[in-house]
Amino acid sequence: GEDVEQSLFLSVREGDSSVINCTYTDSSSTYLYWYKQEPGAGLQLLTYIFSNMDMKQDQRLTVLLNKKDKHLSLRIADTQTGDSAIYFCAEDNFNKFYFGSGTKLNVKP
Amino acid sequence: DSGVTQTPKHLITATGQRVTLRCSPRSGDLSVYWYQQSLDQGLQFLIQYYNGEERAKGNILERFSAQQFPDLHSELNLSSLELGDSALYFCASSVGADKAYEQYFGPGTRLTVT
Repeated sequence: GEDVEQSLFLSVREGDSSVINCTYTDSSSTYLYWYKQEPGAGLQLLTYIFSNMDMKQDQRLTVLLNKKDKHLSLRIADTQTGDSAIYFCAEDNFNKFYFGSGTKLNVKP
Repeated sequence: DSGVTQTPKHLITATGQRVTLRCSPRSGDLSVYWYQQSLDQGLQFLIQYYNGEERAKGNILERFSAQQFPDLHSELNLSSLELGDSALYFCASSVGADKAYEQYFGPGTRLTVT
C-alpha cells in the first residue's frame, strides 16, 4: 500500500474539464480519497469512494475507480481558477493511509 | 474554519530538542489523526487515536509519540529532533473510529528544526 503514484502537473483552461489520475497498489484498500491543498493552506478532504464502487459523482466532481487496474481518477467539470491547488490521492487500508505525491493543477483564465 | 484547532502555528527549535504539538478536535469528534507533510517524504500518516486509545499506526518514528486525553484533545511529542523532522504537522478529526471519509483537518503546525 505504499506506492501510490500521481503525475506531478496538470494545466487546463478555465471552463475545461480536468482529469487527475492515480494508481495504487493495495487491492485490500477499503476507501480511496482525494484531498485538496490550496497554496499555503491546509488539507481538505474533497471526496472519497468506497472500494466496491465504480463511480461516485458529487456536483462538479466525478471519481472513477478501476479496481482491476488499481486506477483512480478525479474529474473536475467546468474547472475554475479557484480549483488551482495540489490534489492528493490516498488509499485507506484499514485506517492506514498512503498518499500520492500530489498533482499540481494549474487553471489558466 | 474546520473546527479543528492546532497550536502552535509555528515552532522553531534546535536539533536534539523535544516539542509538543497540540490538537483539539471538532466538538463531538472522537477520532484524531496525525499526519506529517515534508518536502522529502511527502504526506505521511503517523497515528490515529479513538476515544483515548491508539487505533492505527502508520510511519511514526520511535522518537515520536502521541496520546489522546480524556477531554479528547491530542498531543504529538517529537523528541531528539533532527533537521529532517522539519515539516508541516496536521491533525484531523472524525466522529467515528472508521469514518476517515468524514475527516476535518486543522490548519497545521509548521515545525522548523535548525
